Amino acid sequence: DTGVSQNPRHKITKRGQNVTFRCDPISEHNRLYWYRQTLGQGPEFLTYFQNEAQLEKSRLLSDRFSAERPKGSFSTLEIQRTEQGDSAMYLCASSLDTVEQFFGPGTRLTVL
Amino acid sequence: DAKTTQPTSMDCAEGRAANLPCNHSTISGNEYVYWYRQIHSQGPQYIIHGLKNNETNEMASLIITEDRKSSTLILPHATLRDTAVYYCIVHGSITGNQFYFGTGTSLTVIP
Repeated sequence: DTGVSQNPRHKITKRGQNVTFRCDPISEHNRLYWYRQTLGQGPEFLTYFQNEAQLEKSRLLSDRFSAERPKGSFSTLEIQRTEQGDSAMYLCASSLDTVEQFFGPGTRLTVL
Repeated sequence: DAKTTQPTSMDCAEGRAANLPCNHSTISGNEYVYWYRQIHSQGPQYIIHGLKNNETNEMASLIITEDRKSSTLILPHATLRDTAVYYCIVHGSITGNQFYFGTGTSLTVIP
């Protein structure tokens, strides 16, 4: 399968814990995006990388959130001191110098 | 930032054409209209996009009005697998790389 992959698919954590998600984009895609989606809503943009550079961040990305893309390949999204309001589906997408984005299956986070 | 307006939900009979409308009255000259869909428990999937001319691909057709203030996504022969939430997105270089998905239209294809 050469699509976007995300791990884990599901994560249950207790409030206050740190969690990290991984996204592996389609090979050679230079652009990578993170979105968050809550029930009944469309995906909301969090951040964007071009190669290893993080070029855009949403106001939704509080200081408890950090994203990295070392070497311009896979990316990680870390949430520190999780809160119940962080419960959502976290989606990753990649593209190759186009606006057509290819999405992964998402990581569903539940904060108890 | 609500740039598009879509009906909350629609039904369509299997085998018939599904016509999904979208209003984007504040669209600017360099902004494209994109359509994505999201089947339950999956990530969104790109369908089609256009600037001002009508577009067609193997999945759908996109009809954009001459004033570009609205558009219609047409699924010519809807199947049960087309049941999904369909998002109309207006995007241009001025908005950077952020896609505003909104809440979309939940299309149910009925057998």
